[in-house]
Amino acid sequence: KNEVEQSPQNLTAQEGEFITINCSYSVGISALHWLQQHPGGGIVSLFMLSSGKKKHGRLIATINIQEKHSSLHITASHPRDSAVYICAGPHSGAGSYQLTFGKGTKLSVIP
Amino acid sequence: NAGVMQNPRHLVRRRGQEARLRCSPVKGHSHVYWYRQLPEEGLKFMVYLQKENIIDESGMPKERFSAEFPKEGPSILRIQQVVRGDSAAYFCASSPVTGLGVGPQHFGDGTRLSIL
Repeated sequence: KNEVEQSPQNLTAQEGEFITINCSYSVGISALHWLQQHPGGGIVSLFMLSSGKKKHGRLIATINIQEKHSSLHITASHPRDSAVYICAGPHSGAGSYQLTFGKGTKLSVIP
Repeated sequence: NAGVMQNPRHLVRRRGQEARLRCSPVKGHSHVYWYRQLPEEGLKFMVYLQKENIIDESGMPKERFSAEFPKEGPSILRIQQVVRGDSAAYFCASSPVTGLGVGPQHFGDGTRLSIL
């Protein structure tokens, strides 16, 4: 069974700061998901990545399969980035469709 | 293209009633997943369905909960004789089949179930 750990649990940043959220997992996987959950509760899938790096606007996700570690970066953070960021990996390793979720990182960006 | 549509967004039920939660996947997606998020907790897998088939229901409580994904129409998560502990946000996700297997999951906005 995959154990997914995120850090930090809570993060407060000033507008404009560069933000990093970390995710580590215990079982080898083929892909990892990063999700964003807004205060209203809806979930948006940000990235699904299996190697290297992906970029979308101010968001960058990286993954190191050998070290079982992924990071989500936000450049030039903005108050609208305030949300809970969740990483999720396959429950029982590569090829598994069932996701195991981290507990989330609550990000607050202050103007 | 419409995303995953869940309804209702909010559902209030009294103890002992039935709750029916609906999920329409992204057009063309044949895989549906249901997840539950209890207050102050992370998301937990409940069930994985394909059209007319339950593939994995290992995350479903053994009693009172059932799910279906019929040939026509939305996927339904049904909770019979609800109790206070069923109060949670229930999320549905769908994914396509790709040449590499199951593709990325697209999430709906969730149904917030409150039990009085």
